[in-house]
Order: sequence, then structure tokens, then C-alpha cells
Amino acid sequence: DVKVTQSSRYLVKRTGEKVFLECVQDMDHENMFWYRQDPGLGLRLIYFSYDVKMKEKGDIPEGYSVSREKKERFSLILESASTNQTSMYLCASRVRDRFSNQPQHFGDGTRLSIL
Amino acid sequence: AQSVTQPDIHITVSEGASLELRCNYSYGATPYLFWYVQSPGQGLQLLLKYFSGDTLVQGIKGFEAEFKRSQSSFNLRKPSVHWSDAAEYFCAVGAGYGNKLVFGAGTILRVKS
Repeated sequence: DVKVTQSSRYLVKRTGEKVFLECVQDMDHENMFWYRQDPGLGLRLIYFSYDVKMKEKGDIPEGYSVSREKKERFSLILESASTNQTSMYLCASRVRDRFSNQPQHFGDGTRLSIL
Repeated sequence: AQSVTQPDIHITVSEGASLELRCNYSYGATPYLFWYVQSPGQGLQLLLKYFSGDTLVQGIKGFEAEFKRSQSSFNLRKPSVHWSDAAEYFCAVGAGYGNKLVFGAGTILRVKS
């Protein structure tokens, strides 16, 4: 089974801090994703990466950046945390597939609170 | 642009009753469609997926979904709901390079005994 591990289940940070959310997958997947989940809005894509050092903006990239130095690890960075970034963050990975018919596999999420 | 609509925010069913969760999508090409379930405090688990071929797809935990191109729908069904099915359910369409998923807002299922 694919395992996607997010380093923290719960995280509390202060406004203005630089915050790192880490995600590791163990299946050698090329594609990795960061989503934000808010009630009534479903999941929205922040960034995705299709290979090491490659990244592409999703639908809501403002206020976030990402890093992918190794294939198995994909980090989400909040450069200067703000209260409107309080949310559940979900990481996913998937094998590269040009026909888009392979599913994404999700981690358990990080619930981030910005005070 | 791709979009997914789940018209029902909350649904309550009795244990043992049948279930249908609605999903409508908007996508210009052949859609790749998914249903995921999220239990409280957990990540998303894949229930089933549709790519092509048979329009009735079977998934895990006794769920099935039917793709209807004419109605742009991909509704999820289960003949008899168990209390453990209480969760939030998300429909998603796979779009473009890299299978970037576009999600619906989710439907919260409550099961009453």
C-alpha cells in the first residue's frame, strides 16, 4: 500500500512565523500535491510537483511556496503565516500518468492553527 | 474550466437504508472521475474511480457509482448503509496534465440508528 506521511497532525503557530509542512511518500511517485481543505469549499490545490525541483501553481498559491529537493519529500512553506491560513492541509502523491487515470493517495492531513 | 457540484451538503439516512450521493461535473473532454471518503480526523481514502468502459463501477466497502454522460453525473450508491459509513464524501474530476483533481464541496453523511 502507498503510504503518504505528513509530519504533524496538529500544529499551532503565530502570525508572521515561517511555517514548514512536510510530506513524505514511500512509493517513488513522481507527482505530489498540496491541498487546503476548508468547510463548504472542498479541497483546493495550492501547488503540485511533477518531478524533483519542478513545481506548478495550483488554484490558490498566494502566500505559499513549495520545495521538492528529493523525490519522496514535498514541503509546503508559509512564508509569513496569517490567520486566514488556518486550515487543514492535505498532501497527496500519484504515479506519473499522462492519461490522468491513476488515483491520488492522501496523507492524514495537518490541522494548522495560526494565532 | 472543470468544476464539480455536490448538491447536498448534509444527508441523514437510517442504518440499513439505501444511499445515493449526487455528483455533477463540468469537463470538456472524457472525464476521469473519483469518489473519496474522509472519516473524521483522517485523510481521504479512494472508494472508486471511473476512466472508461462499463459505466457502473464497483468500489470498496460495498459502494458503486454510475457514470451518465448525458446527465454529466457520477452518483454514488450503496444498497444498505452501516453506521461506520458516517463520514464526508468527495467527488472529484481528474483534469489535465498530472491529474490535478478538482473536488466538489463534499457531502456529510450521518447515519441514524
